[in-house]
Formats: sequence, C-alpha cells, structure tokens
Amino acid sequence: GAGVSQSPRYKVAKRGQDVALRCDPISGHVSLFWYQQALGQGPEFLTYFQNEAQLDKSGLPSDRFFAERPEGSVSTLKIQRTQQEDSAVYLCASSEDRGHVEKLFFGSGTQLSVL
Amino acid sequence: GQNIDQPTEMTATEGAIVQINCTYQTSGFNGLFWYQQHAGEAPTFLSYNVLDGLEEKGRFSSFLSRSKGYSYLLLKELQMKDSASYLCAVLDSNYQLIWGAGTKLIIKP
Repeated sequence: GAGVSQSPRYKVAKRGQDVALRCDPISGHVSLFWYQQALGQGPEFLTYFQNEAQLDKSGLPSDRFFAERPEGSVSTLKIQRTQQEDSAVYLCASSEDRGHVEKLFFGSGTQLSVL
Repeated sequence: GQNIDQPTEMTATEGAIVQINCTYQTSGFNGLFWYQQHAGEAPTFLSYNVLDGLEEKGRFSSFLSRSKGYSYLLLKELQMKDSASYLCAVLDSNYQLIWGAGTKLIIKP
C-alpha cells in the first residue's frame, strides 16, 4: 500500500487478555517505530527496529510488552495480560532509515481499550 | 530530564493568524519537528528545523532559536480544516523523538 497500515483500528480487551497489534510499514522502509499515545498527550516512544533487528526497546513499559519484526517488514506489538493503564492509541511509524527520521510516516493507530 | 512545553489549547478566528509556541530542554538536539494531528488520525509532518531562523512553507512557517530552546509554528489565513492538535517534537542526541503533549487549536468562524 501507499502508506503505513495498522490493524485492528480498534481493539477492546478484557483485563488480563493478551492482544496483538499489527503494523505494515511502507514497502522498503528500513526503520520502524512503535509509540504509545494516551488521550491528550503526545506519542511516547516504545521501541525501534532497523530491518529485523530491534535496536532499542527502552520505552517498553514492562515485560508484558513485546515487539517483533521477524522478516524486516511487518511488525507485531504484543501485550500480555492487559491492564487498564494499557488503554491508549498505539502508533506505528516508518522511515527509509534512521537518518531520514524527518520523513517519518505514521499509521492511523490502533485504539486499545482495556475494560 | 527531558521536557517539551507547549500550550494545551488555543482558539483563533477563521482568516486570522495564530502562533503556537514550544520550549524544550533535551539531552542533545538534532532538529525540531512540528506535526499536525486531526482527532483519531495519524500525525502528519509539517516542518523540520535544525538551524536557527524561519522556514516558510505556504500558509505555515516554523521558527527556531537553539540558544533559547524555543520554536514557534505560525499559521496564516486560518481555515476551519486547520482545527487539529499541533505536536512539537525534538530529536535528541540518541536520535530519539521527544514529543510535547500537543496544542489543540480551535478555529471559530
């Protein structure tokens, strides 16, 4: 596709459930970022991939959060045993490489609501 | 710690000019970005400043003063479609984007 695609668009989970959020970056983009955006706040960095390598996961809030990009294209963010504080919009962004972060393209996000 | 400050909300009139300020304190500086985000949508890139001065792009301009840790986004000839949140973000020494909370801009007819 022409842009960054994320699915599902909305996800409602019961507390304790596991969820998986998918990101399809722009074809050929080397860098992929995951951000968490709470209501009325700016995005908070979660993790960064360069191709299949997860180079920075310093923003993941707990060991319940796990991300992978096994073939260097599609990425999945998994949250285990979801908690209410995990409710947020999860944004994925991609760029040609980290040196071109000014050309960062965002997906529309997955809005996660944990009940 | 790292900090980016911008007003929470601003209101302006259609056809007018508005200036949204951003001040920052970060560990290193590799550029400052402004993004526009409509409710429920992805942030979209507006501008990137790495040197001091004013960058003009159509109705939107962005200014940077590195010595003051200050930037502003200037929107001219406001249109109703400009109602959105405007996010200021700084690229720190680790090439990580540090984001402000955003300024919600309300345009009134």
